[in-house]
Amino acid sequence: DAGITQSPRYKITETGRQVTLMCHQTWSHSYMFWYRQDLGHGLRLIYYSAAADITDKGEVPDGYVVSRSKTENFPLTLESATRSQTSVYFCASSEGAKNIQYFGAGTRLSVL
Amino acid sequence: GNSVTQMEGPVTLSEEAFLTINCTYTATGYPSLFWYVQYPGEGLQLLLKATKADDKGSNKGFEATYRKETTSFHLEKGSVQVSDSAVYFCALSDGGGGFKTIFGAGTRLFVKA
Repeated sequence: DAGITQSPRYKITETGRQVTLMCHQTWSHSYMFWYRQDLGHGLRLIYYSAAADITDKGEVPDGYVVSRSKTENFPLTLESATRSQTSVYFCASSEGAKNIQYFGAGTRLSVL
Repeated sequence: GNSVTQMEGPVTLSEEAFLTINCTYTATGYPSLFWYVQYPGEGLQLLLKATKADDKGSNKGFEATYRKETTSFHLEKGSVQVSDSAVYFCALSDGGGGFKTIFGAGTRLFVKA
């Protein structure tokens, strides 16, 4: 299917566990982003990537790791999940830095 | 730094009422401005955009005009429908050579039949 897909849609895990959220886009967009959405905070940028093998920190990167070995994939890993990382996570892609962003449907993560 | 401020919600309206959601911004340079909409259980999607001063973005009956003198980009619709119930995000994309999109906190709209 064309577009941007995230998996899983829902995830429950325990504190201290490693969790990886997947993001895949079929447009070959250069830019990809990870956001978290929390009540009262809107969307906050975690990490972004300008191209394969190029990633950089956003506003709230602590506790997260990303990689981008292929243009179409941009996984987000929580190395040791904490309760404060309970959130809805959105992946997005864009053709260029200032262009429209296209969002996935989100992953709702609960850390118990 | 750049920032976006939008009115707090929720906003509750009856069907066919007039909608205004206020958005103001702070930015250096000449940013592009956007409104995104998020329907329940979905990701954000672009509603409209404007790339320079005095531009009007429009889509699905929604409009917003890029006002540089008041640093505003208010969203309006003349007659809302129940299906417009969603969260609306104002956003700006840095026009000074940076890349990041800054999102407002979002405004939830409820439309009653």
